[in-house]
Parts: sequence; C-alpha cells; structure tokens
Amino acid sequence: GQNIDQPTEMTATEGAIVQINCTYQTSGFNGLFWYQQHAGEAPTFLSYNVLDGLEEKGRFSSFLSRSKGYSYLLLKELQMKDSASYLCAVRDNDYKLSFGAGTTVTVRA
Amino acid sequence: TAGITQAPTSQILAAGRSMTLRCTQDMRHNAMYWYRQDLGLGLRLIHYSNTAGTTGKGEVPDGYSVSRANTDDFPLTLASAVPSQTSVYFCASSYTETGELFFGEGSRLTVL
Repeated sequence: GQNIDQPTEMTATEGAIVQINCTYQTSGFNGLFWYQQHAGEAPTFLSYNVLDGLEEKGRFSSFLSRSKGYSYLLLKELQMKDSASYLCAVRDNDYKLSFGAGTTVTVRA
Repeated sequence: TAGITQAPTSQILAAGRSMTLRCTQDMRHNAMYWYRQDLGLGLRLIHYSNTAGTTGKGEVPDGYSVSRANTDDFPLTLASAVPSQTSVYFCASSYTETGELFFGEGSRLTVL
C-alpha cells in the first residue's frame, strides 16, 4: 500500500514563496504527481516527476528524491488565486494513483 | 470540449436505496477511476479500470461495484446505500502511459 504525508495547512503572504513537502512510503513507485484543487472544484494537474531532480513550470516547481521518498512543490510569487488545496499523489506499478490528504494553502494580502 | 462528464451533480438518497453514478469520457483514455473525497481524508480510490472489460479494487471498494463495458463509460453503483457513503465522488480518466488524471466535476451524494 501507500502512505503519503503532507502538512494539513500553510499560510503565506502574497508575493512570497511557499514550499509544500510530501513524504511517501510505497510498495511500488511509478511517478509522483501534484494537483491543485480549489474549494468546490475538481483537482487539476500541476506537475509530474518520475526521475530525481527539479521540474520547473512557470511559478511552480516540483522536486523528487526517490531514495528519500520525498517531494516538494514550490510556489513562487504567490497570488491570491493560489489559495487552494495541493494534493501529492504517488502512482504505483499498476498505474493507480494514491493521494495524500492535501495541504490547504491560504494566501494573505 | 466535454472531456469527462459525471451525473448527477448532486443527489440525496434514502439509506437502503440503490444508486448509479454515471461517468463518460470522450478522450479515448484507456484507464478510468472512481474516487471519493471526504474532509481530512483526501481522495481515496474505490475502483479502477485499466482497459475496457477489466476492473480492479482500490483502497475502499466495499459497498460499491463498477463495470467497464466500453472505453467511454464507467458507472459506479451503490447497491444499498448507507450514511457512511455520504461523500463527493470524482470520476477520472487517463492514459496509463502518461498517468495524468483528468477529473470530472464531481457528484455530491448525501445518504440519509
């Protein structure tokens, strides 16, 4: 099975940087995903890592260390619209995604 | 473009009644999934299908059944609903090669 941990809540100021950590213990690993979910909406894809290292996409970056079972999502130049839940998900060798409980990020002016 | 469509959007159901949540995708994705989302627990996989004609159990399959008769449709059935099945249900689809899930808008189910 999968055990995926991420902080429950984080608060940051508009224009700042926030790093959301995710640790996982899995019976099989075939990639790590980050999703964004605004309240009352469906999750939407943000990033994907399968090899160690940093993937950058605009204001969002995601890092993976497979040996440590660790990933982070970095949100730069925070905007009010970034207030949302951020979900870490691990794919196993049967192509199933297991999700962490999510981190609610609140951006304050 | 439709993408992935779920119905109904919301439903109130009496305990003991049966209910089918519908999910249709037009992206020709081979894999489809049903998740439930509860406060503090995140998204939990109920059932999945990696290709038409096959299904598998996820983390919380009890009380639910699915079928995958064709590529596009993946209905979720609650044979006899119980209050603990009150939740928001998300259907998703993907190509297994890429893994990126595309989610429907969700179905909010309340069992009384």
